[in-house]
Amino acid sequence: GESVGLHLPTLSVQEGDNSIINCAYSNSASDYFIWYKQESGKGPQFIIDIRSNMDKRQGQRVTVLLNKTVKHLSLQIAATQPGDSAVYFCAETRPGGSYIPTFGRGTSLIVHP
Amino acid sequence: KAGVTQTPRYLIKTRGQQVTLSCSPISGHRSVSWYQQTPGQGLQFLFEYFSETQRNKGNFPGRFSGRQFSNSRSEMNVSTLELGDSALYLCASSPTGGREKLFFGSGTQLSVL
Repeated sequence: GESVGLHLPTLSVQEGDNSIINCAYSNSASDYFIWYKQESGKGPQFIIDIRSNMDKRQGQRVTVLLNKTVKHLSLQIAATQPGDSAVYFCAETRPGGSYIPTFGRGTSLIVHP
Repeated sequence: KAGVTQTPRYLIKTRGQQVTLSCSPISGHRSVSWYQQTPGQGLQFLFEYFSETQRNKGNFPGRFSGRQFSNSRSEMNVSTLELGDSALYLCASSPTGGREKLFFGSGTQLSVL
């Protein structure tokens, strides 16, 4: 999940397990959400997005679930691999005017071989 | 297509100095955004440029400024550096700056001594 402290929440999994990373977003009016992955020494990289008229979207080995009732987003990674080790951010975009996304604090995923 | 390119990769400055960071977006992308990333505050939006105009601005002091050129390349400038400006500065581009995914560069790591 997300944290307001200095330390990122960390999820440790074994290679081959499924991973679930959670994100609580702040604005009930937000209508577009993106998950990004940031590997060490690199900038964030797009993984998958979802609009508020959907509650689930699938990509390659990843699924995003959106629960607007409780303002919750999750990223599921199937058959997690060591290359999935990174910090994962959710970002929300609100309607009206600027489309600047607001990023969550991030979750560190560590995959053990 | 080449990705987003940021230069320099690393910078060391002392308090009171000023610094200029450069960003070349993906060819065809007209929107360029800048973010500051620190362990304590996460990804914070600085500003967004579109067609050489600052279209959106985050909550940063006036010491932080930027510009965009006719070829969409962008620079950001920080004057009178403070210790707290030490951070990873990320540039992101997108085609229109609308409700769409961002493409990030690898960032410039700025250390202020």
